[in-house]
Amino acid sequence: QKEVEQDPGPLSVPEGAIVSLNCTYSNSAFQYFMWYRQYSRKGPELLMYTYSSGNKEDGRFTAQVDKSSKYISLFIRDSQPSDSATYLCAMSAPGFQKLVFGTGTRLLVSP
Amino acid sequence: DGGITQSPKYLFRKEGQNVTLSCEQNLNHDAMYWYRQDPGQGLRLIYYSQIVNDFQKGDIAEGYSVSREKKESFPLTVTSAQKNPTAFYLCASSMNSNQPQHFGDGTRLSIL
Repeated sequence: QKEVEQDPGPLSVPEGAIVSLNCTYSNSAFQYFMWYRQYSRKGPELLMYTYSSGNKEDGRFTAQVDKSSKYISLFIRDSQPSDSATYLCAMSAPGFQKLVFGTGTRLLVSP
Repeated sequence: DGGITQSPKYLFRKEGQNVTLSCEQNLNHDAMYWYRQDPGQGLRLIYYSQIVNDFQKGDIAEGYSVSREKKESFPLTVTSAQKNPTAFYLCASSMNSNQPQHFGDGTRLSIL
């Protein structure tokens, strides 16, 4: 079993839809959680960073962490064609020397 | 502008040749990382460095080498021992290992 599981998609939605992207993990020590967006042929771009549990909102993006279920989510409201990209989750724990990444979910938003 | 610069954007390697990928950051970050990305496999860690003059092997270090002589620079050499080097290579940096990593725009390496 991988430490971090992420559905590869693709997830296809119409413009304006609410998108839910998710990752599950197995290591209860994880406390730092990140979401990255990666466009084709580009490096990943940090979208959200949260510590421990709870929600964090930034514009159309909301990140949620449920440590009891070992489950994190990224919600995108009013999705746009420009949101079409691969979304990667990443996480770490105190004392870890590196991040653990999910394999990414490909999102396609059609006009 | 602060950021991470990777060069070249595209690189071609001949059989038996070593090639070096450049990564420079002006974010004053202590930690730097090299990843390989293949379709459908996500990011795989090659090498990382928490501080100048020190580095550790990641999950797929065989056939690669690095150096960290300056805080700003973390070059990656793909040696002839790496039999399947065709991939997208990403460099990243962070303040420390628990902070988010910031990525460059990658180097695409192909075999001639």
